[in-house]
Amino acid sequence: QKEVEQDPGPLSVPEGAIVSLNCTYSNSAFQYFMWYRQYSRKGPELLMYTYSSGNKEDGRFTAQVDKSSKYISLFIRDSQPSDSATYLCAMSGYSGAGSYQLTFGKGTKLSVIP
Amino acid sequence: DSGVTQTPKHLITATGQRVTLRCSPRSGDLSVYWYQQSLDQGLQFLIQYYNGEERAKGNILERFSAQQFPDLHSELNLSSLELGDSALYFCASSVGDSVHEQYFGPGTRLTVT
Repeated sequence: QKEVEQDPGPLSVPEGAIVSLNCTYSNSAFQYFMWYRQYSRKGPELLMYTYSSGNKEDGRFTAQVDKSSKYISLFIRDSQPSDSATYLCAMSGYSGAGSYQLTFGKGTKLSVIP
Repeated sequence: DSGVTQTPKHLITATGQRVTLRCSPRSGDLSVYWYQQSLDQGLQFLIQYYNGEERAKGNILERFSAQQFPDLHSELNLSSLELGDSALYFCASSVGDSVHEQYFGPGTRLTVT
């Protein structure tokens, strides 16, 4: 079982729709939960991060973490064609000797159709 | 633009060769991270340097090595290249040890023929 599972999609929605992107994980020691957006041929861009369980909102984006279910979500309201990209979830875990590292999901490719 | 720069953008080389990828972190960031992204494996953490010292090691092959210089730029050296090393290589940086707030560069696309 992979540490982080993410449905690769592709996911296609009409403009204005609410998008739900999800990841599950197996390592209960993960503490920070991140969402990155990656446009084609570009580097990942940090959208937001959440510490432990709870919700966090930033404009049209809302991140949710449910540690009891080992499940995280990213919601995009009023989706726009410019939101078309691959969305990567990531989680930070202890890697020993006082250091931490990120483990990424494989990403979900989203297309928002005008 | 994240403020992280990487050179070169593209690199084409032959099996068995050695290449060096370069990264300059955002101004003020002390940590540099290297990642490999391939279609089948996704984004994999390779190694982290913090203020010149190796901080964390991930799935980095023995044929790969990295270092961070006093001016905080970093280089990733890949040797005895194999076809399977063809991938996108990203550098990221963060203030201090904030692994949860990393900013990625545009990447170097390596093709091994």
